[in-house]
Amino acid sequence: GENVEQHPSTLSVQEGDSAVIKCTYSDSASNYFPWYKQELGKRPQLIIDIRSNVGEKKDQRIAVTLNKTAKHFSLHITETQPEDSAVYFCAASIGGADGLTFGKGTHLIIQP
Amino acid sequence: SQTIHQWPATLVQPVGSPLSLECTVEGTSNPNLYWYRQAAGRGLQLLFYSVGIGQISSEVPQNLSASRPQDRQFILSSKKLLLSDSGFYLCAWSSNRWDSPLHFGNGTRLTVT
Repeated sequence: GENVEQHPSTLSVQEGDSAVIKCTYSDSASNYFPWYKQELGKRPQLIIDIRSNVGEKKDQRIAVTLNKTAKHFSLHITETQPEDSAVYFCAASIGGADGLTFGKGTHLIIQP
Repeated sequence: SQTIHQWPATLVQPVGSPLSLECTVEGTSNPNLYWYRQAAGRGLQLLFYSVGIGQISSEVPQNLSASRPQDRQFILSSKKLLLSDSGFYLCAWSSNRWDSPLHFGNGTRLTVT
């Protein structure tokens, strides 16, 4: 089955700097890649997603890039703010009913 | 719009007691439904998923079971809880589209004592 590796497990950046979280996947049939943000004690919430026919997608300060040849995708957050502090999960899917395969998460800490 | 309700929000149960967590979805028909568990500070582990009434697939062998008695209702159960069943339980739904994201409920924090 699909395996998703996510790095780093913890990332600390200064407020205003950029943060990059990277994921790799194993199944070349994967075609949908969402990212989730989970604040402490709350549910994961979708922040951005990308499909296999697209190489990059942006939404204000957040962007995701996908390299299908290398089987990796990344989340980029620019001009980080304190409210960006959370755990971020990447995921991959081949479109089956068994849903998403998640990475183990990255704890992003924004230092004031 | 679609909404997902999950209850209770928190639960403290003694070892050996039964468990029933319920999840309902509104505003959509024939959703795919999921139960995930998240141990403290850890990732998301898929426990069960369902593509229709009475259809349950289990991802990991465990002390838990799931049922889907109605199209938009998903129940997680246990006859006898173990200490290792403690965690944050999340119900989620998705549509049948290949590129549908998961939408999570607010979760149930279960502590087995």
